[in-house]
Amino acid sequence: AQSVSQHNHHVILSEAASLELGCNYSYGGTVNLFWYVQYPGQHLQLLLKYFSGDPLVKGIKGFEAEFIKSKFSFNLRKPSVQWSDTAEYFCAAYSTGGFKTIFGAGTRLFVKA
Amino acid sequence: DAGITQSPRHKVTETGTPVTLRCHQTENHRYMYWYRQDPGHGLRLIHYSYGVKDTDKGEVSDGYSVSRSKTEDFLLTLESATSSQTSVYFCAISDGGTRGNYGYTFGSGTRLTVV
Repeated sequence: AQSVSQHNHHVILSEAASLELGCNYSYGGTVNLFWYVQYPGQHLQLLLKYFSGDPLVKGIKGFEAEFIKSKFSFNLRKPSVQWSDTAEYFCAAYSTGGFKTIFGAGTRLFVKA
Repeated sequence: DAGITQSPRHKVTETGTPVTLRCHQTENHRYMYWYRQDPGHGLRLIHYSYGVKDTDKGEVSDGYSVSRSKTEDFLLTLESATSSQTSVYFCAISDGGTRGNYGYTFGSGTRLTVV
């Protein structure tokens, strides 16, 4: 079955620390990959997406993600987090040719000021 | 986002009653989705639509039905609400395209409590 796994359910960092959130997917074939962010009390917003080409994708607010096809991974990174990055982060995968996207369970990030 | 609205934003209902949630979009997107969000489960797809009157089931469709009579509206009905359906419900839209999905735009969510 198609699935998306996020390795960490909760992450606590201090401001200025580096962030890496893991994501693995189990789709075969061609996939579109996404990271979404949900700030407290808000809806999900698209952070970045990968369709093809350069496997290093840059998104909003200084986030980037790297697609490693051999590892079926799409990890999210940020060199230096801020208190305002406190949120829940969701990885998602869409298999081209289908109509729906599968989400991971989410990672809650808390950044200490 | 202004292009997608959900109503109501909050609702408390009694077990056994039917409930309808509405998703309205002004983006003329072809694809519309209903997800529920629960702690530890992320977002799980309930139903989706790929056109007017074209709908299909997601991974947690039992106890839910949907209708899409026009492009802009996608209704989710809980036929007989149960406490296990207490959740936050999100509608999402996508314009599809040749790659199928360029990313979703989400509504603000409906917090439903079944007592």
